[in-house]
Amino acid sequence: QQQVKQSPQSLIVQKGGISIINCAYENTAFDYFPWYQQFPGKGPALLIAIRPDVSEKKEGRFTISFNKSAKQFSLHIMDSQPGDSATYFCAASIGAGNMLTFGGGTRLMVKP
Amino acid sequence: DGGITQSPKYLFRKEGQNVTLSCEQNLNHDAMYWYRQDPGQGLRLIYYSQIVNDFQKGDIAEGYSVSREKKESFPLTVTSAQKNPTAFYLCASSPPAGSSYEQYFGPGTRLTVT
Repeated sequence: QQQVKQSPQSLIVQKGGISIINCAYENTAFDYFPWYQQFPGKGPALLIAIRPDVSEKKEGRFTISFNKSAKQFSLHIMDSQPGDSATYFCAASIGAGNMLTFGGGTRLMVKP
Repeated sequence: DGGITQSPKYLFRKEGQNVTLSCEQNLNHDAMYWYRQDPGQGLRLIYYSQIVNDFQKGDIAEGYSVSREKKESFPLTVTSAQKNPTAFYLCASSPPAGSSYEQYFGPGTRLTVT
């Protein structure tokens, strides 16, 4: 059973545009929602994360929007750049230091 | 430099052979994890360990085995019982429970079995 569903699977955005990736979860016990960025042949790296006590978190061009009642969260990449081209994974976990449940990933391509 | 080391980066084996993937961390993290990633797919948890000498099966443990004899090391053995072992394998670690939620990933090992 897939507990975190991510969409779309792939996304093409023009340079300067906004990239939006969505995730939905089922387990209401999840209390940590990170986004990871992975470049080809590399391990994922934490990009930004949010706890359910806030509805939005912004770090530079990256913003997480969180809707607890809908059990959904999304990643917005403003002013998308070709260097942002990567695979993005959302994830969720219960408590610190516990295993993450990952979404299926979104391959983002930003065209120059 | 603190981090997670996985070796080798590329590994080739013949079908029917067991193979062990190395994962070492010098971050003093308690928990370590093994994930499998297939092309165009997400990360699936194979095994995880919260403390030395203890580990738990993840979602796809069949055909794999692990050991955790040292805090720094969490090797993964892909056995001949794993029906489709060709994949990208990622090791991760996380700080003690309650201190941080982040998981840190190694660079991965790409295993090809023919």
